[in-house]
Amino acid sequence: QKEVEQDPGPLSVPEGAIVSLNCTYSNSAFQYFMWYRQYSRKGPELLMYTYSSGNKEDGRFTAQVDKSSKYISLFIRDSQPSDSATYLCAISSGSARQLTFGSGTQLTVLP
Amino acid sequence: NAGVMQNPRHLVRRRGQEARLRCSPMKGHSHVYWYRQLPEEGLKFMVYLQKENIIDESGMPKERFSAEFPKEGPSILRIQQVVRGDSAAYFCASSPMAGGGNQPQHFGDGTRLSIL
Repeated sequence: QKEVEQDPGPLSVPEGAIVSLNCTYSNSAFQYFMWYRQYSRKGPELLMYTYSSGNKEDGRFTAQVDKSSKYISLFIRDSQPSDSATYLCAISSGSARQLTFGSGTQLTVLP
Repeated sequence: NAGVMQNPRHLVRRRGQEARLRCSPMKGHSHVYWYRQLPEEGLKFMVYLQKENIIDESGMPKERFSAEFPKEGPSILRIQQVVRGDSAAYFCASSPMAGGGNQPQHFGDGTRLSIL
């Protein structure tokens, strides 16, 4: 079993749709949760960073963490064609600084 | 540009040659991480360094790979005697000095290594 499982997609939605991206993890030692966006031929760009259960909102993006279920989500409201990218969840424990990544979900927002 | 800088962006080597990848962290960041992204796979941790110290190299292959972060200058990931399987995108990330928690990592745009 992988430490982090991510819905592989690809996912295609019309402009303006609400997008839900999800990851599950197996190790309860994980405490820090991140979402990155990666455009083709570019590096991952940090979108959201949280370390507690609950919701964190930033503009059109909402990160949700449920530690009891070991489940994290990223919601994108009013999706735009410019949101088309691969979205990566990343998790780390407090002691190990390394990030463990999901395999990524490729999102296409159609105009 | 105050972001993480990696060079070269693209590197082509023949089997058996050496590859050197460079990474300059963001200004004010003293922690550097290297990750590898193989085709059709996710990002995998390789090594975590602070100035003049390797903190965690649990993701580094045991042979041919080494990393350093000297007191002056960029961090270097070195691959000796490259093989076709080393073809990948190599990403560097940096984070500030650790405070009370785990600081988020910011990534460069990577070096795409191709082995002929």
